[in-house]
Amino acid sequence: QSGLTQPPSVSAAPGQKVTISCSGSSSNTGSNYVSWYQQLPGTAPKLLIYDNNKRPSGIPDRFSGSKSGTSATLGITGLQTGDEADYYCGTWDSSLSAVVFGGGTKLTVL
Amino acid sequence: EVQLVESGGGLVQPGGSLRLSCAASGFTFGTYDMHWVRQATGKGLEWVSAIGSAGDTYYAGSVKGRFTISRENAKNSLYLQMNSLRAEDTAVYYCVRVWGNAFDIWGQGTMVTVSS
Repeated sequence: QSGLTQPPSVSAAPGQKVTISCSGSSSNTGSNYVSWYQQLPGTAPKLLIYDNNKRPSGIPDRFSGSKSGTSATLGITGLQTGDEADYYCGTWDSSLSAVVFGGGTKLTVL
Repeated sequence: EVQLVESGGGLVQPGGSLRLSCAASGFTFGTYDMHWVRQATGKGLEWVSAIGSAGDTYYAGSVKGRFTISRENAKNSLYLQMNSLRAEDTAVYYCVRVWGNAFDIWGQGTMVTVSS
């Protein structure tokens, strides 16, 4: 099954901003809501962003999401060392009748 | 507290079977769609299967015909029956709750190792 495309890694200094892209197609990101997950080392993933740009209760506004066409973006401002994690995008694929995830992006806060 | 707790993982030989369970608590289990997502060591997330609140089921192509998802609402439980297991099925398996269009609650995961 085809997955979504994310950069393998991104890095930035503490306090800076970083963006992570997630590219798909008309059958997935282009027509369905995108969600983002944070996975800290050794833990289960945690929901960060749902419905393209909404934050669940308890998620700081340093995290933001957007979507345009078939691409979605996760933004993180005021980077902290505690943000070092793997980040995944995911959505439903209407053609496959399946959930698809991106390959994950490892964030390093230098 | 809303919680999902998986069990049933372990070591199994290629071609063998295993049944995973997920115990839900803290919410009205029967009203939620539920999924299984797996992650091989050092790899990304891979969607496995889903079951709707109405019992409709969906499977990833890689497990279709070998895995069966089911639920028992009276017991607040989700299951994944895995047959004809292969080495490539080795992974941590997460039970996940759907909220709207996202996965809002994840279990801690249960490890499945397929090896001779």
